[in-house]
Amino acid sequence: VQLVESGGGVVQPGRSLRLSCAASGFTFNSFNIHWVRQAPGKGLEWVAVIWYDGSNKYYSDSVKGRFTISRDNSKNTLYLQMNSLRAEDTAVYYCARDLSSSRIDYWGQGTLVTVSS
Amino acid sequence: DIQMTQSPSTLSASVGDRVTITCRASQSISNWLAWYQQKPGKAPKLLIYKASSLEIGVPSRFSGSASGTEFTLTITSLQPDDFATYYCQQCDSYPWTFGQGTKVEIK
Repeated sequence: VQLVESGGGVVQPGRSLRLSCAASGFTFNSFNIHWVRQAPGKGLEWVAVIWYDGSNKYYSDSVKGRFTISRDNSKNTLYLQMNSLRAEDTAVYYCARDLSSSRIDYWGQGTLVTVSS
Repeated sequence: DIQMTQSPSTLSASVGDRVTITCRASQSISNWLAWYQQKPGKAPKLLIYKASSLEIGVPSRFSGSASGTEFTLTITSLQPDDFATYYCQQCDSYPWTFGQGTKVEIK
């Protein structure tokens, strides 16, 4: 199982960024996938989840209305579209595989997003 | 949203010590709780799921238990590789939430 995030970088407040997560080594379209983030020196914060078939999506209150999670099962890829970025969105963003809606069993290595002018 | 209150925030211990970390949920989550270990610069690693089930490959010195809305992670004999930060996470309902973390330091 491999999850490889990309798309991070430095972005100005109010701008947008799209993260990607390329999955391999498992049947991607059979698993719910999450985004979890971690601000520098802080704890883990759950961001969003998308069902295996894209039919359901849930978000944390802190990103609802600004971030959109999506997936392309034909490309084994997960996305996170981040709009109206704020300084407090600065974090390492991890994509992570959900097993039986009871735990996260695999994580990517993370991609750093820095929101700064 | 369900709040997860984890304690202590920092714990100083020696190799061979028995270590206990507690996580309390703000409402009933049944046994939908997981524990993760994270080392600096690395992604978290799953240790325990459904409150007390040991993930494959995780040493048996790690164990989890539950009593109502209080959950405990125990390390029976702390090893050098165990110095890390530990997080609980509820998987009962969305939004999933993590505890604040417990850093286990060398005494």
